[in-house]
Amino acid sequence: QSVLTQPPSVSAAPGQKVTISCSGSSSNIGNNYVSWYQQLPGTAPKLLIYDNNKRPSGIPDRFSGSKSGTSATLGITGLQTGDEADYYCGTWDSSLGPNWVFGGGTKLTVL
Amino acid sequence: EVQLVESGGGLVQPGGSLRLSCAASGFTFSSYSMNWVRQAPGKGLEWVSYISSSSSTIYYADSVKGRFTISRDNAKNSLYLQMNSLRAEDTAVYYCAREGVAFDYWGQGTLVTVSS
Repeated sequence: QSVLTQPPSVSAAPGQKVTISCSGSSSNIGNNYVSWYQQLPGTAPKLLIYDNNKRPSGIPDRFSGSKSGTSATLGITGLQTGDEADYYCGTWDSSLGPNWVFGGGTKLTVL
Repeated sequence: EVQLVESGGGLVQPGGSLRLSCAASGFTFSSYSMNWVRQAPGKGLEWVSYISSSSSTIYYADSVKGRFTISRDNAKNSLYLQMNSLRAEDTAVYYCAREGVAFDYWGQGTLVTVSS
């Protein structure tokens, strides 16, 4: 059971838009920056979004992030088959040590 | 180019020990905090441990506290994870990750299998 809650899977057609939610609490998302990671099959995770809504160099603007209260959302527009991957949210949690916590991950299928 | 290369994984019996290493290059290693993150087969990401740039601050996940020890050698640009009293549930790919803006660079991972 992850501290951050993500839907197990989402799907959409190529060219469409999809959003992935990440729900937490005041001890994590509510008081800390959220980051998002993409993990393509058989590869290491890759940073997509940091500080809630910033994109590292090289990440296309099709990827966006937002945060409101104790929830965060990753948005992907203009879906491509190459976007099929697992997506994870993450942030620090001050109630557990502190500890870094990840969401359980969301499998994106581009139909 | 930032590179993180893990090594030291392998097959170990329950109760055994293993030491993982992460060799860093392409950046000023001594300026960054580092983390270990693991991923059990077919499962999600699980944070394991954090160490600050000077080693002054260290955190562990409850699941490994008292059994794992994180350390670093800034002169050798290396991060380590000493894993003792290993259990079957520690079986996973272990990644080292740089903490710049979030976990901005990851290694390719090293597989640890705990089995008799």
